[in-house]
Order: sequence, then C-alpha cells, then structure tokens
Amino acid sequence: AQSVTQLGSHVSVSEGALVLLRCNYSSSVPPYLFWYVQYPNQGLQLLLKYTTGATLVKGINGFEAEFKKSETSFHLTKPSAHMSDAAEYFCAVSDPGANSKLTFGKGITLSVRP
Amino acid sequence: DTGVSQNPRHKITKRGQNVTFRCDPISEHNRLYWYRQTLGQGPEFLTYFQNEAQLEKSRLLSDRFSAERPKGSFSTLEIQRTEQGDSAMYLCASSLRAGSIETQYFGPGTRLLVL
Repeated sequence: AQSVTQLGSHVSVSEGALVLLRCNYSSSVPPYLFWYVQYPNQGLQLLLKYTTGATLVKGINGFEAEFKKSETSFHLTKPSAHMSDAAEYFCAVSDPGANSKLTFGKGITLSVRP
Repeated sequence: DTGVSQNPRHKITKRGQNVTFRCDPISEHNRLYWYRQTLGQGPEFLTYFQNEAQLEKSRLLSDRFSAERPKGSFSTLEIQRTEQGDSAMYLCASSLRAGSIETQYFGPGTRLLVL
C-alpha cells in the first residue's frame, strides 16, 4: 500500500520569501510523484510530476521539487512567494505498474503575507 | 481541449434522497477516475474506468454508490439513500494512458451537502 505524509496543515510565508512544502511517501515500488494545487472552489491543477530520470523537476508558476529516494521525500519549493500562490497544495503518489490511481496527502494550506 | 467538466457544481439534498452527478472528460481520454474529498482531507480514490469498463472500486464505495460510463464517454456517479456522511466534494479526473505514464486532469468538482 502507498501513503503520503504532509506534515503540518498550514504554512505562512511573506511575499518574496522561500516556499518549502514537505512531502514524504511510502511505496513498495518506485513511485510516480505529483504535486497538485487547489484554489478555493476549484478542482486540482497539476503543478509538476516525477516519473523517471532527472530527480529535480520543474513545474508551472516557478515551482520545483526534488525526488530523494534515500529520504523518501518529494518536497516542493519556490524561491520567491507571490500573493497568487496562496492555495492548498497536495502531494500524491501512484504505482506506475498498476491502475495509476492517486493516493493523496492531507494537503497543506499556503498563506502569503504582504 | 475544454477540460473536464462536472455537473452540477453544487447539490443540496435531504437524507434518504438519491443524487446523480455527471462528469464529461477531456475528449479522447480513455481513463476516468472518481475521487471524494472531505473537509480538511486530500481526495480519496473511489473508482475508475478504462473506456466503458469499470476496472476497480474502492472499499469506500458502498453498495449505495454506483458509477457508469456508457460508451466510454461521460460518466455518472449515483448515490442512493444519501446519508449525512456522504457530504463531500466529488471530483472527476480523466487521463490518456500512453505506455505507463499518464497525467490525470481534474474537473472543478461537485459539492454535495446532505441535510
């Protein structure tokens, strides 16, 4: 079985500050990893994904994440936060050999202070 | 590409009533997924289709829930005899399976409130 842990439910940063959202996963096989963002009253939008190859993955809106197998982590970062980044962020894992259903973490709400 | 659409966006119903939600996937996407998201939680997998075949159902999907995808296009999710615990956001996602890599694109969701 796969699982995702997103520690903490809320992160607050100042505009222009570094954003770091943590994600740790558990999987019996090499996983595919995803970060999705959800704005209020909207569905989930894919930020980035890791499947194979380069472990540093760049996504939309200046976000990137690094897959670290030894730490079973896939933390999301952005060098400089913008007010428009305020949203809920979900880390997810899937088993590439199976039906590709996503297993999500509980999510982290990012607030950006002016 | 008009994205995944879901209707209705909001539904309020009384306990014991039946409700049906519709999902229209991105055209030519052969896979369609249903997830449920409760307050403060991440989405949880309910079921998925490849074309018109329903290939897996979660244990979360009680016998009051039924999903269909006739002709491999749109899908419906019906909940019979709704309970207050069914209140949640129901999300639909579609994808095109190409090899082992696929990306799921989500719709805006249907928010259900059972009174």
